[in-house]
Amino acid sequence: GQQVMQIPQYQHVQEGEDFTTYCNSSTTLSNIQWYKQRPGGHPVFLIQLVKSGEVKKQKRLTFQFGEAKKNSSLHITATQTTDVGTYFCETGGGNKLTFGTGTQLKVEL
Amino acid sequence: DTEVTQTPKHLVMGMTNKKSLKCEQHMGHRAMYWYKQKAKKPPELMFVYSYEKLSINESVPSRFSPECPNSSLLNLHLHALQPEDSALYLCASSQDFWVFQQSNGYTFGSGTRLTVV
Repeated sequence: GQQVMQIPQYQHVQEGEDFTTYCNSSTTLSNIQWYKQRPGGHPVFLIQLVKSGEVKKQKRLTFQFGEAKKNSSLHITATQTTDVGTYFCETGGGNKLTFGTGTQLKVEL
Repeated sequence: DTEVTQTPKHLVMGMTNKKSLKCEQHMGHRAMYWYKQKAKKPPELMFVYSYEKLSINESVPSRFSPECPNSSLLNLHLHALQPEDSALYLCASSQDFWVFQQSNGYTFGSGTRLTVV
């Protein structure tokens, strides 16, 4: 079945440092979605990527879809304490919906 | 209204109990989902309803029984659960089941935290 791995599993940063999480698949993806889940909360949709090589930005967040559509990344510039949470990628297609393993981000002052 | 409402927020039940989780959305979404999430793990898909019909059942044990009474409501009936079923149960909805068309992704409810004793 389709597996989507995320690295790293955990990341601790100092406030102001950058952060990147990577989502990797062994198969070509038709699309990828990114979600953020705060501690004790529920996943909140951030963005969808569908085109090869696509790059989208939301303020300090930059999302990329690989040229081969097998990987994606989420980069946060100058992290803030409000960025704390777990970031999941998610992909769907062929009636199969799969969340990545997630990257837990902690931001220290 | 851009919310998915889940009730109850917390539930403790015995292994012989029967209970139901409820989910409601008024965004006109045609697809609704049940996910199960264990601590520090990603959500796992359980069921998908599209246009009020069950589209996907991810080999979920029969002690979990979904129901979609209408396009706004989704229930999950629980019976004879095991302690390992304790988890956060998330309901979600989307405009349509076909993910490619979902530029707004899924909208998740805040979940029901279930403890089976």
